[in-house]
Amino acid sequence: ETGVTQSPTHLIKTRGQQVTLRCSSQSGHNTVSWYQQALGQGPQFIFQYYREEENGRGNFPPRFSGLQFPNYSSELNVNALELDDSALYLCASSLGSRGPNEQFFGPGTRLTVL
Amino acid sequence: AQRVTQPEKLLSVFKGAPVELKCNYSYSGSPELFWYVQYSRQRLQLLLRHISRESIKGFTADLNKGETSFHLKKPFAQEEDSAMYYCALLIQGAQKLVFGQGTRLTINP
Repeated sequence: ETGVTQSPTHLIKTRGQQVTLRCSSQSGHNTVSWYQQALGQGPQFIFQYYREEENGRGNFPPRFSGLQFPNYSSELNVNALELDDSALYLCASSLGSRGPNEQFFGPGTRLTVL
Repeated sequence: AQRVTQPEKLLSVFKGAPVELKCNYSYSGSPELFWYVQYSRQRLQLLLRHISRESIKGFTADLNKGETSFHLKKPFAQEEDSAMYYCALLIQGAQKLVFGQGTRLTINP
């Protein structure tokens, strides 16, 4: 069984640029959630995808968008990067969109915006 | 408002001493609560969930709806318990986890 993987590991961008982060869910999982973790803070929910549809969104502006593919892998896109977007971005996969299903986390992508 | 509060950013205890990591929540619905742990250089992983009512690695957590708390306890701390601990609340419907800011636990030899 393959765990959740994320790419790239680290990324440096400048203000105003766009970035795409990628996540492969654990085998058999159909739900992917994305979180932003700023330094010294707990993860903050961005949005969730279930069977290729957005299934819930946190308090993030529309320049944060996502996709889920038929193989349940997912992308997080951020447009018009701001300095405050610098954070660790975590992807978590789970089975099903209802109930207290365990979310399995990836190692994260560290984004630095200069 | 949906909120999880972990009042201690840092907690340091000696090996063999009891440990209690505090977690309080604010939620109008029926709470589903979790403790996640992150060991050094490892990814975030589930430690335990309140519905399971189980003990994992000697840790237990009891949901107290009257006090809106879900404190994590272990009677005798071990050095390998040193890690970052996050309390999380599942918001049903939205299926999102709301995390506290975490407590860094250090077990001194």
